[in-house]
Amino acid sequence: KAGVTQTPRYLIKTRGQQVTLSCSPISGHRSVSWYQQTPGQGLQFLFEYFSETQRNKGNFPGRFSGRQFSNSRSEMNVSTLELGDSALYLCASSPGTGVYGYTFGSGTRLTVV
Amino acid sequence: AQTVTQSQPEMSVQEAETVTLSCTYDTSENNYYLFWYKQPPSRQMILVIRQEAYKQQNATENRFSVNFQKAAKSFSLKISDSQLGDTAMYFCAFISQGGSEKLVFGKGTKLTVNP
Repeated sequence: KAGVTQTPRYLIKTRGQQVTLSCSPISGHRSVSWYQQTPGQGLQFLFEYFSETQRNKGNFPGRFSGRQFSNSRSEMNVSTLELGDSALYLCASSPGTGVYGYTFGSGTRLTVV
Repeated sequence: AQTVTQSQPEMSVQEAETVTLSCTYDTSENNYYLFWYKQPPSRQMILVIRQEAYKQQNATENRFSVNFQKAAKSFSLKISDSQLGDTAMYFCAFISQGGSEKLVFGKGTKLTVNP
């Protein structure tokens, strides 16, 4: 059974650009969540999608957005990149609720220069 | 709002010995779940163990066990017979039942297992 797949693994972008990250959940999982991991702030929740609907959103500016497709694959977009957006972005999936534990991908390492 | 605190930024242990990682949390809720996740250098977060708050019995998964003290809001992880492959960052996490589907993480403990 394939795990959670995130692409790309690494990304370097210039300040002011926009970026799109992709996440394919485990087959059959309908919930996808995104987290930002930085050395200073740790792991912070960005948003969670279930059946193409955003159910929950963290405290991030509107530059951070996401969506989920009918096949449960998810993308997150960051517009007008800032140096502080450099981070590891982790995607996690669950069948429908995270109370049984999310399965995480290996993340996308975004560097903004 | 819930918070999770891991007071040990770094720990080390000798191979085959036992180590305990600490975690405390704060919540006003009665029904919730707690987890320990492991993040090795490969970056992928791996679920180590899960505890349901309404169960008094401490969870155990092979060499990993927890000491869950609900009244004290404490959730420590004990690793027995430590192995080199246990070297990783360990994160304690909290999620509400029927709530926001949001995991709240502690800052993590970097565990090094020495040969």
